[in-house]
Amino acid sequence: KAGVTQTPRYLIKTRGQQVTLSCSPISGHRSVSWYQQTPGQGLQFLFEYFSETQRNKGNFPGRFSGRQFSNSRSEMNVSTLELGDSALYLCASSPLSGGETQYFGPGTRLLVL
Amino acid sequence: GEDVEQSLFLSVREGDSSVINCTYTDSSSTYLYWYKQEPGAGLQLLTYIFSNMDMKQDQRLTVLLNKKDKHLSLRIADTQTGDSAIYFCAEDIGANNLFFGTGTRLTVIP
Repeated sequence: KAGVTQTPRYLIKTRGQQVTLSCSPISGHRSVSWYQQTPGQGLQFLFEYFSETQRNKGNFPGRFSGRQFSNSRSEMNVSTLELGDSALYLCASSPLSGGETQYFGPGTRLLVL
Repeated sequence: GEDVEQSLFLSVREGDSSVINCTYTDSSSTYLYWYKQEPGAGLQLLTYIFSNMDMKQDQRLTVLLNKKDKHLSLRIADTQTGDSAIYFCAEDIGANNLFFGTGTRLTVIP
């Protein structure tokens, strides 16, 4: 089985722009979670989608949003980018929502200038 | 709120055992995980333990869980240079929300 894939792998944007990141889960997995990793804050949970519904959300501003499609692929969007949004964005998939092992993708490294 | 603490650094000699420790606060976590991250890469699931278990062994990896003290450890036997990485413990605080520790950077000295 193919693993979790994320596109693009690297991205450079400027302040004020918006960005969309994509995540394709492992085949058959219905839950996708997103995390932000920064040197200062470490790994932080953004949100989780299951069956096209956001089930859980972390403590991030409304500029961070996401969605999930019927094929379980997920996108996250960050609007009005700030310098502090520079980070590695990781998505993880699992079969179900809750209590299941999560498998991570390689991440998208976003640099905001 | 939740908190997961780990030592930041650990150095061991090749062939020795490594023990990475973690303390957590959410006693309702069903699963506790260990992930490995190599430079420039995502997170690789190493192993996990169900909260009603005390120990789990998986080849060179041994996970010990002391639920009373909320202490989790990962022992890597016969540590190799390829084990050099950052190791994260994480607790599942619900609905696939993993709360991660700060990570322990393991350096294996040849």
